[in-house]
Amino acid sequence: AQSVAQPEDQVNVAEGNPLTVKCTYSVSGNPYLFWYVQYPNRGLQFLLKYITGDNLVKGSYGFEAEFNKSQTSFHLKKPSALVSDSALYFCAVRDLDTGRRALTFGSGTRLQVQP
Amino acid sequence: DARVTQTPRHKVTEMGQEVTMRCQPILGHNTVFWYRQTMMQGLELLAYFRNRAPLDDSGMPKDRFSAEMPDATLATLKIQPSEPRDSAVYFCASGLVLGGVLNTEAFFGQGTRLTVV
Repeated sequence: AQSVAQPEDQVNVAEGNPLTVKCTYSVSGNPYLFWYVQYPNRGLQFLLKYITGDNLVKGSYGFEAEFNKSQTSFHLKKPSALVSDSALYFCAVRDLDTGRRALTFGSGTRLQVQP
Repeated sequence: DARVTQTPRHKVTEMGQEVTMRCQPILGHNTVFWYRQTMMQGLELLAYFRNRAPLDDSGMPKDRFSAEMPDATLATLKIQPSEPRDSAVYFCASGLVLGGVLNTEAFFGQGTRLTVV
């Protein structure tokens, strides 16, 4: 089975400070990892993904994520937070090897950036 | 600008009524997902289709929910009869899978907010 854990329900950070949103995953095979963002009353928007290659993945809006196989983590980061980054962030995983093709999402982390 | 289109955006219905939600996937995508989002359960996969064939609907209550793809441009999710506990936001997403690999990220529609009273 594949699963994702986002241990923090909410992350608060001051504008201009770096931010980290944590994600750990569990799969039996090789993981495909994704981050999505959801703004109020909107669908999920893709931010970035890790398939293979460089462990540091760069995505939209200045976000990046670091894949760490030994720690089974895929934390989302941004060097300098903006108030407009305030939203709900979802980590997702897909296990290529088990044949399950759909994404399994974490419970979400609400990011609040204070001016 | 390619996007997944869901209709209606909002639906309020009485318990016991049939509800049909529609989704138009991005042209060329061969995989369609239905997710349900609630405060308590988060995002749950209900069903997904590949090339219009259902691959997994294990997340869907079979007695009242049904999902179909009449053609490549339309996916439907029906609830009959609807119950208050079905109140949620239902998302459709599409993607392209080739050789068993999700070659694109899943693109999400804006969702249908269903309220059953």
